[in-house]
Amino acid sequence: AQSVTQLDSHVSVSEGTPVLLRCNYSSSYSPSLFWYVQHPNKGLQLLLKYTSAATLVKGINGFEAEFKKSETSFHLTKPSAHMSDAAEYFCVVSANAGKSTFGDGTTLTVKP
Amino acid sequence: GAVVSQHPSWVICKSGTSVKIECRSLDFQATTMFWYRQFPKQSLMLMATSNEGSKATYEQGVEKDKFLINHASLTLSTLTVTSAHPEDSSFYICSARASYEQYFGPGTRLTVT
Repeated sequence: AQSVTQLDSHVSVSEGTPVLLRCNYSSSYSPSLFWYVQHPNKGLQLLLKYTSAATLVKGINGFEAEFKKSETSFHLTKPSAHMSDAAEYFCVVSANAGKSTFGDGTTLTVKP
Repeated sequence: GAVVSQHPSWVICKSGTSVKIECRSLDFQATTMFWYRQFPKQSLMLMATSNEGSKATYEQGVEKDKFLINHASLTLSTLTVTSAHPEDSSFYICSARASYEQYFGPGTRLTVT
């Protein structure tokens, strides 16, 4: 069994300040973990993925995430938020039989 | 590489009619495809796993007679919503698996009037 918990349903930051979106997971197997972004009325865009290589993963648009097995976490960070980062973010775990389980999502708001 | 397309991107149909959504892997072969449904301001929920040449595996609570899935080739899976009702209005997203990674299509927005 696998599950994902995104700890914040909404995060609001000011432009130019750091972003932290939190994700905890559980999995009976060695998981692959992903972060996706979805802009309104759009499909999913992969930001980054962890697949058992380096624990610090760098993605597109300045995002990165660190896999911490001891904490079962995969938090997404960005040093400086941009207005275009405002969107819905999903943490995803995939292990058993390739099925992906999505978190409930975190809405990121960026204030000018 | 690894592009997944969906057609149509947006469809409106009348209550009681059926609508077919196509999911294609454009530059790779996918023995497994997945269908998700997303209601407004909610997360993606897996509906079914589609395996080429065999019957789809549906998640609990998903009516297999209402959501017909066909995966006739390694690059095409279709989802047919039969006798659609307004409560079936949603954003349907497919994904195709290649090398233990999933690639998502852009989604199809279905509105049933």
